[in-house]
Order: sequence, then C-alpha cells, then structure tokens
Amino acid sequence: GAVVSQHPSWVICKSGTSVKIECRSLDFQATTMFWYRQFPKQSLMLMATSNEGSKATYEQGVEKDKFLINHASLTLSTLTVTSAHPEDSSFYICSATSLAVGGTQYFGPGTRLLVL
Amino acid sequence: SQQGEEDPQALSIQEGENATMNCSYKTSINNLQWYRQNSGRGLVHLILIRSNEREKHSGRLRVTLDTSKKSSSLLITASRAADTASYFCATDADTGKLIFGQGTTLQVKP
Repeated sequence: GAVVSQHPSWVICKSGTSVKIECRSLDFQATTMFWYRQFPKQSLMLMATSNEGSKATYEQGVEKDKFLINHASLTLSTLTVTSAHPEDSSFYICSATSLAVGGTQYFGPGTRLLVL
Repeated sequence: SQQGEEDPQALSIQEGENATMNCSYKTSINNLQWYRQNSGRGLVHLILIRSNEREKHSGRLRVTLDTSKKSSSLLITASRAADTASYFCATDADTGKLIFGQGTTLQVKP
C-alpha cells in the first residue's frame, strides 16, 4: 500500500508556543489530505480536509485560526497548532488520498503532542 | 460528528478463537472500511466493502454489510496474539470524508 509519513512522531512544548506537524505522502501524489485528532481511548475525529492549492475546509467546532493547515504541494501538508495549551495535547493523525490510489485513505503513524 | 457505533467496546479472547465486532451507522453510505490501530500508532487499512456488496473476505478477515440494517461486522478467525489492537469501522458517504466508529479494543491472550 501507499506510504504516508508524519514528523515529528512526538513533541513536547510549553503552553503558548506553536507546533508544526508535517504529513507527507511518500510514493504517490495526494490531492487530498485529512487531519484527525484522537484523544486517549477515543476514536478519530476529523478536524479538516486539505486539498492541494486551496484553503482547508474545517469541521464544525474546529478553530481555523488555531489549527493552521497548509497543503502547498501534492506530497506535503502541514498542521500548525498555534498558541498551544494543555487541552490541545492529543494524538494528531493525517491521511492522504487521491484517485491514483483508488480513493483509499492511507494514514500516517501519528504525532503525539504534549503541551505543558 | 461520529456516526458509527461499535460493539462490543472491548473484547478479550484466547488465541485461536474467533473475534466478531459489529458496527452500526446512521446515514446512507458509499462504502464502509475497517481499520486496525495498534496502541499509540497510526491506522492500518484492513478491508473496504462497497454498499452494493454483502460480504468480503481477506485472509482471516470476513466482513459483512447489511445496508437495510445499516450495520457491518468484522470477523477475525483463528485469532493470534498479534491481532491485539483497536478496530474501527469508518463510513464514506461519497464525500471522501471518513466517519469513524467508537472502536472495539481486542485483546488476544496467548
């Protein structure tokens, strides 16, 4: 299957700082990338849909000014958590897809964020 | 919003036994997918079943779909300790977005 990577795999930061998470499709061009958040022992919640070259579409309740998403190329999307607070601590997972991979979403390994 | 409900929430079995997980959803779908997640890791795609399919097999996995009941089941036969993980169903209503169920945590004891 197609491979999606995320960097970093984990990050610890102080409250008030911003953190950038990268999502890369390694062996295919992803026209669409999705960002999810997962709290401990819970399911994945879709945060936003990112299409290359256009603004991200955010799900209801997700603050677009707090979670900045950039999908500048067909292989890279970034999620920046601005002015992070302890309640933003979570597991962030991206997925990537395109018609070239049959529309299947391939998931990255996730990034664990801990805000102190 | 979450639309999938899965049961049981947790399942503990002995190695060699079969494990069955169920998923229900609320709206019309284009397809339904099952994913596995090992603790603290990303998701691994297991199988996709389209709305016009009723059953699909992949190795030790068997998935059924009943669109009239808006439900699906995942059967893992001859379970192994390595099958220990959380399993999620996810529905696609042809928007490209996946809506995940709450998940079933499976523990397979050696």
